[in-house]
Amino acid sequence: QLQLQESGPGLVKPSETLSLTCTVPGGSISSSSYYWGWIRQPPGKGLEWIGSISYRGNTYYNPSLKSRVTISVDTSKNQFSLKLSSVTAADTAVYYCARHPNSSGWYFDPWGQGTLVTVSS
Amino acid sequence: QSVLTQPPSVSAAPGQKVTISCSGSSSNIGKNYVSWYQQLPGAAPKLLIYENNKRPSEIPDRFSGSKSGTSATLGITGLQTGDEADYYCGTWDSSLSTASYVFGTGTKVTVL
Repeated sequence: QLQLQESGPGLVKPSETLSLTCTVPGGSISSSSYYWGWIRQPPGKGLEWIGSISYRGNTYYNPSLKSRVTISVDTSKNQFSLKLSSVTAADTAVYYCARHPNSSGWYFDPWGQGTLVTVSS
Repeated sequence: QSVLTQPPSVSAAPGQKVTISCSGSSSNIGKNYVSWYQQLPGAAPKLLIYENNKRPSEIPDRFSGSKSGTSATLGITGLQTGDEADYYCGTWDSSLSTASYVFGTGTKVTVL
């Protein structure tokens, strides 16, 4: 069964850039059938989609975060990454990576276990 | 502020049925597929329903999904204590300048 695994610093200072990576052990990220996405969840709150990328590098971003977000893919390492710039305390959240189909009906499956990123000085 | 509205909580006794509504608009649910996710305490979300009413093979048929107009519904029959979780709907919102994937506000299911 496909697994996704997030990694990166658990603490980021305000105004700095949050950087996370999602690896896909046991599976290939290089499929035209899927996109690879990032979703976050502030403590005690709901889910927010951040953005998605194909293995060719085509991206979709949440308009509310677009100015601060960069998602990239490295097929040689079978991983994709998230960068979120100029972070504030409001960016404190559990960040998940997940896969979704490249079709008219998006659904996220599977999900990584999530990684908590705290923005604090 | 999510564009998909769910009731904050629903509850029922073991063995009973609950339904969770997800209310949207013509730019999201009205024209796109809906999916549903279960998030057990302390865990990552898990796909329950995709394309309005389809279940992944590992999801029991106690879980069902439907869509009508600009609303969608998740049903859970034969409620079990293990079903206590937060549930989220999700869909693409095709608004012209703000197209985005959106999740519902979330519903906490309590088994009495």
